[in-house]
Amino acid sequence: AQKITQTQPGMFVQEKEAVTLDCTYDTSDQSYGLFWYKQPSSGEMIFLIYQGSYDEQNATEGRYSLNFQKARKSANLVISASQLGDSAMYFCAMRERGYSTLTFGKGTMLLVSP
Amino acid sequence: DAGVIQSPRHEVTEMGQEVTLRCKPISGHNSLFWYRQTMMRGLELLIYFNNNVPIDDSGMPEDRFSAKMPNASFSTLKIQPSEPRDSAVYFCASSLFVMGTSGYNEQFFGPGTRLTVL
Repeated sequence: AQKITQTQPGMFVQEKEAVTLDCTYDTSDQSYGLFWYKQPSSGEMIFLIYQGSYDEQNATEGRYSLNFQKARKSANLVISASQLGDSAMYFCAMRERGYSTLTFGKGTMLLVSP
Repeated sequence: DAGVIQSPRHEVTEMGQEVTLRCKPISGHNSLFWYRQTMMRGLELLIYFNNNVPIDDSGMPEDRFSAKMPNASFSTLKIQPSEPRDSAVYFCASSLFVMGTSGYNEQFFGPGTRLTVL
């Protein structure tokens, strides 16, 4: 079974609108971390935001927020006020307790139109 | 502070040739990861090291691939002989791992090496 599932291969949004990128995960651990990375067309992987399983508040970083629903095992990324520069591939990833590795989803391609 | 450094950024080679990719992790990080990214398979973990020791190489596709980390500041990924299906972007990433935690220790990625095997 896939540990990280991103069901949206592609998403379209207009500039200045908000968009939600879905991510569900599968783990039996109680302690884990969830990450989102952005990969623009230039290819680099850019860390965006982190949510720990014990964090009571949803993580926020500027225009990025993570809608963490533990019971549903979902960690959706919300981008508010989309900008053209947000057009990129977005990856959700999970780290489980005791492991240094991240498990990545397949990614969602976001296109922001003017 | 310098990020993860990879070289070369682009490599074009012919089938059968040996290819060596290089990585310098962020100073102070104790974990190093090699990933391969293709359109078909996405981002795959090939191998990772903790404190210069290979921990899990189950992602290495076959014996043609080998990786070393002779010291904390350098790692190589070698493909010998290379094949066209090895064409991909290869990323190196590093992080500071604290045993027994699942906390905030993001992986910092290098810019990647785009490998084309003709």
